[in-house]
Amino acid sequence: GAVVSQHPSWVICKSGTSVKIECRSLDFQATTMFWYRQFPKQSLMLMATSNEGSKATYEQGVEKDKFLINHASLTLSTLTVTSAHPEDSSFYICSATVYAYTEAFFGQGTRLTVV
Amino acid sequence: DQQVKQNSPSLSVQEGRISILNCDYTNSMFDYFLWYKKYPAEGPTFLISISSIKDKNEDGRFTVFLNKSAKHLSLHIVPSQPGDSAVYFCGGGGTSYGKLTFGQGTILTVHP
Repeated sequence: GAVVSQHPSWVICKSGTSVKIECRSLDFQATTMFWYRQFPKQSLMLMATSNEGSKATYEQGVEKDKFLINHASLTLSTLTVTSAHPEDSSFYICSATVYAYTEAFFGQGTRLTVV
Repeated sequence: DQQVKQNSPSLSVQEGRISILNCDYTNSMFDYFLWYKKYPAEGPTFLISISSIKDKNEDGRFTVFLNKSAKHLSLHIVPSQPGDSAVYFCGGGGTSYGKLTFGQGTILTVHP
């Protein structure tokens, strides 16, 4: 299957700083990428849909100014958590789709801890 | 509004027996459904999918059944193996490929 790589796998940052997470499709071009967040013992919650060359579409309740998404190329989308707070600590996962395939391919996830 | 629900947080099964994981949904606009398996600190990996026009899809040890009238789907794993121990998420998707709504997950433990 298609490979999606996410970096870093884990990161610890201080409260008030910003953190950037990268999501790359390694062997295919992804016109659309998705960002999910998973809190402990909860489901994967879609945060936003990222389309190459256009602004991301955010789900209700997700602050677009706090979670900046950039999808500048067909193989890379980035999520920047700005002014991070401890409550932003979570597992962030990206996925990407290949045209005509219904399944989405997920990255390995990023464990963010804000201290 | 939780559109996809997995009401069993956990399931414990003996190796070699059948595992049945259940999922209910409320959104009749879903065109397809998928099951993902997830290990701790890793991203989900795709397991099996089913289109809304089918009622069964089989892939090796994994079979997914869809009952549209009941808005219910289930994943059967036969025979279960210890390596199947993981969290299983069911998800529903519509016309926007890749945009998935997931259930809360079911922790499957297969005992040797």
